[in-house]
Amino acid sequence: QKEVEQNSGPLSVPEGAIASLNCTYSDRGSQSFFWYRQYSGKSPELIMSIYSNGDKEDGRFTAQLNKASQYVSLLIRDSQPSDSATYLCAVNYNNDMRFGAGTRLTVKP
Amino acid sequence: SQTIHQWPATLVQPVGSPLSLECTVEGTSNPNLYWYRQAAGRGLQLLFYSVGIGQISSEVPQNLSASRPQDRQFILSSKKLLLSDSGFYLCAWNQDQAMRTEAFFGQGTRLTVV
Repeated sequence: QKEVEQNSGPLSVPEGAIASLNCTYSDRGSQSFFWYRQYSGKSPELIMSIYSNGDKEDGRFTAQLNKASQYVSLLIRDSQPSDSATYLCAVNYNNDMRFGAGTRLTVKP
Repeated sequence: SQTIHQWPATLVQPVGSPLSLECTVEGTSNPNLYWYRQAAGRGLQLLFYSVGIGQISSEVPQNLSASRPQDRQFILSSKKLLLSDSGFYLCAWNQDQAMRTEAFFGQGTRLTVV
C-alpha cells in the first residue's frame, strides 16, 4: 500500500515567520515529489516539484528531499496571509500519483 | 498551452441516480489522466488513472467506474449513487516529459448526493 503522510496540523504562524511543512512516503521506488497549495473550495495548484536529493529554492519556497529517509519538506519564508491554505504533498511512482491528507496553514497578520 | 476542462462545477443528485462526470484535456496528446475524490476536510483519494485509451487502473473498489473513450477524454460514472459518494471530484493530467511528471487539475466538481 503506497502511503503519503503529512504532519497533522493545523499550523499557525505569524506574518513574516517561517512555516515548515513535512511529509513522509512509504514507497522507496517513488521518483518525483510535489507540493500543491489548495485554497478552500478550489482545486490544487502546483507550487514546487523536486526530483533529486537536496534543496530546491523558488522565491520564498524551499523544497527539501531525502530519499534515504523517505522524507520531503516545504519551507515558506516570510509567510504572508495570502499563504493561508491547505498544502498537499504528492508522490509519483510510475504515473501512480498519491497525495497526503494535507496540512492547513494559517498565517496571522 | 495545455488546458483541462471538467464539468459540471456543481451537481446535486438523489441517491440511486446515475452519474457522469466528464474531463477533457487540450493542447497535448497521450496524457496520463486521473480521477480523485476529496471528502470535506480530507486529502485526495485516487480513484482511477489511465495511461492510454481503454486502459484504466482502479484503486478503490466501489460503485464508480471510469472510461477513456478518446485520447484526451476521461469519464467518471456510476449507475446508482450512494450518500457516501458525495465529495469534491477532481480530474488531473500529467505527462512524462524529461522526467517532469507534475499533475495539473481541472476546476473540480462538487457532488452532493441527497
